[in-house]
Amino acid sequence: EAQVTQNPRYLITVTGKKLTVTCSQNMNHEYMSWYRQDPGLGLRQIYYSMNVEVTDKGDVPEGYKVSRKEKRNFPLILESPSPNQTSLYFCASSSWDSGNTEAFFGQGTRLTVV
Amino acid sequence: KQEVTQIPAALSVPEGENLVLNCSFTDSAIYNLQWFRQDPGKGLTSLLLIQSSQREQTSGRLNASLDKSSGRSTLYIAASQPGDSATYLCCSGTYKYIFGTGTRLKVLA
Repeated sequence: EAQVTQNPRYLITVTGKKLTVTCSQNMNHEYMSWYRQDPGLGLRQIYYSMNVEVTDKGDVPEGYKVSRKEKRNFPLILESPSPNQTSLYFCASSSWDSGNTEAFFGQGTRLTVV
Repeated sequence: KQEVTQIPAALSVPEGENLVLNCSFTDSAIYNLQWFRQDPGKGLTSLLLIQSSQREQTSGRLNASLDKSSGRSTLYIAASQPGDSATYLCCSGTYKYIFGTGTRLKVLA
């Protein structure tokens, strides 16, 4: 089954404690990206990757890092989380396939930073 | 820069009604248009994908159309049911997806 898997699904942490949210896809997609969803602001892109070792900033990259060492994995790293990073996070993957760029999303990670 | 607007922001209808959700985008040079459903605090469930060469897609009681020239997509829900209550999001993009702010639908039993 084609899927994007995020872990953990829920996370409560304290300010300043480094954390990583993992994302893995089993569709051999080139494109992967991270989004955060906040009430009234909708979904906003944090970072994206067009292939292994190719990453770039999205609209709200401050306070986040990513890496793409393998095609299937795209972890999101918060080096020093702050309360304003409390949000619902989604990982997505897609592929350019004859113009079909259907997006597949993970089930989300609800992060609370206290 | 692509901007995506969804109207209405919220909608409350009695069960059984047919309804139309609207999605407008500023840049007609889009590849695909995808509709999602999101239940409160949950993930995104893909409903329909309209590829760049298509004008509409159907799945069960759902029909989505795409008119690039006017910058619009519509999601038609036939014979609405309380289980259809959710937020509906449209999005456009390839590696960077631009989402509308959604239409919050409530279907009353």
